[in-house]
Amino acid sequence: DIQMTQSPASLSASLEEIVTITCKASQGIDDYLSWYQQKPGKSPQLLIYDATSLADGVPSRFSGSRSGTQYSLKISRPQVDDSGIYYCLQSYSTPYTFGAGTKLELK
Amino acid sequence: QVQLTESGPGLVHPSETLSLTCTVSGFSLTGYSVYWVRQPSGKGLEWMGRMRYNGDTSYNSALKSRLSISRDTSKNQVFLKMNSLQTDDTGTYYCTRASYDWGQGVMVTVSS
Repeated sequence: DIQMTQSPASLSASLEEIVTITCKASQGIDDYLSWYQQKPGKSPQLLIYDATSLADGVPSRFSGSRSGTQYSLKISRPQVDDSGIYYCLQSYSTPYTFGAGTKLELK
Repeated sequence: QVQLTESGPGLVHPSETLSLTCTVSGFSLTGYSVYWVRQPSGKGLEWMGRMRYNGDTSYNSALKSRLSISRDTSKNQVFLKMNSLQTDDTGTYYCTRASYDWGQGVMVTVSS
């Protein structure tokens, strides 16, 4: 199975910062990587698919990138509403696997 | 408009079998894959398995001995069955259209 190592587990950021969350795959996944935001009591919401493509309706302050087998989600000038838990998912080969999640708090 | 709705019992006794249904609308099961994802309370997401658009299935390695996913395309439904439930199977179970659109989830508690 492909392992997805997500970091950090949690972070607190100000509204002026650039927030970066990373997922490192245990092997190449050919950009079959998506990012999700989950708020308490809600279903996950797709933010980014195919590593860099923005899902419909997602603000442009969210972006995705790749360097080798490490994938990053960047939030530029985050808003208070961006608080939540963020997950990556590899869909390159089954069984698909999620990262452990990153809890983001905006201060 | 794409919709997915999970349904099933809220309470299952230990060692029993969980049966869940995902009813979909707004897309065809022969055109898109449907995944099952679960989330233990207060914990992260776990990919359970997939019903591919062509009827093929794939499962989480840790669950495959207990898990079965099937479908009825005429009813636009995908089914999950998992046997030998234990308390650590308690959580929210989601179905999702290839992880793009998600149902609201169904809470399942395993308890005697």
